[in-house]
Amino acid sequence: GEDVEQSLFLSVREGDSSVINCTYTDSSSTYLYWYKQEPGAGLQLLTYIFSNMDMKQDQRLTVLLNKKDKHLSLRIADTQTGDSAIYFCAETGTYKYIFGTGTRLKVLA
Amino acid sequence: DVKVTQSSRYLVKRTGEKVFLECVQDMDHENMFWYRQDPGLGLRLIYFSYDVKMKEKGDIPEGYSVSREKKERFSLILESASTNQTSMYLCASSLAGGEHEQFFGPGTRLTVL
Repeated sequence: GEDVEQSLFLSVREGDSSVINCTYTDSSSTYLYWYKQEPGAGLQLLTYIFSNMDMKQDQRLTVLLNKKDKHLSLRIADTQTGDSAIYFCAETGTYKYIFGTGTRLKVLA
Repeated sequence: DVKVTQSSRYLVKRTGEKVFLECVQDMDHENMFWYRQDPGLGLRLIYFSYDVKMKEKGDIPEGYSVSREKKERFSLILESASTNQTSMYLCASSLAGGEHEQFFGPGTRLTVL
């Protein structure tokens, strides 16, 4: 099938690290994306990784890619209350993305 | 600054009404997309367009149609709204091809009574 899977909820304490996981389906995807959706807003690109990379770091964000297991993860270091949002992973196709179900991250003060 | 705008943030309609959701982008993007977002189901693609007057069905096109008469505008039409079409509708655009960043509008929350 074409399901990109994510866990629905994650709760962490402020200052801790958050790890959001995603299992995708198409090993031919060239890029894999992470989008963030804040309350009442559309999605915004957070980061992405090219499929020939294993890891990408961007300030507090670390993306890990395991192509063999089709597993993608997003680690947020020193999680802040402003990181509370829904996070979507997405794999790319010929014309379109396939989005995951989204993980709602709640950061506890 | 890149921008995708949607005609309404909130909309309330009655069952059987014809509903138009409008989306406009100012980035000269070739691709435009309509998604609906429901809790636990993520984003599901309704229709997309890769050029003016071109349209392709997404994963859940039933009950919807689209129109792209101009490059910057992509309309979603609910011919006869039903309660199961109550949802958040998100429009997005991107450059040609399937691998570029998609830019999203703020969404329209549609309630069908």
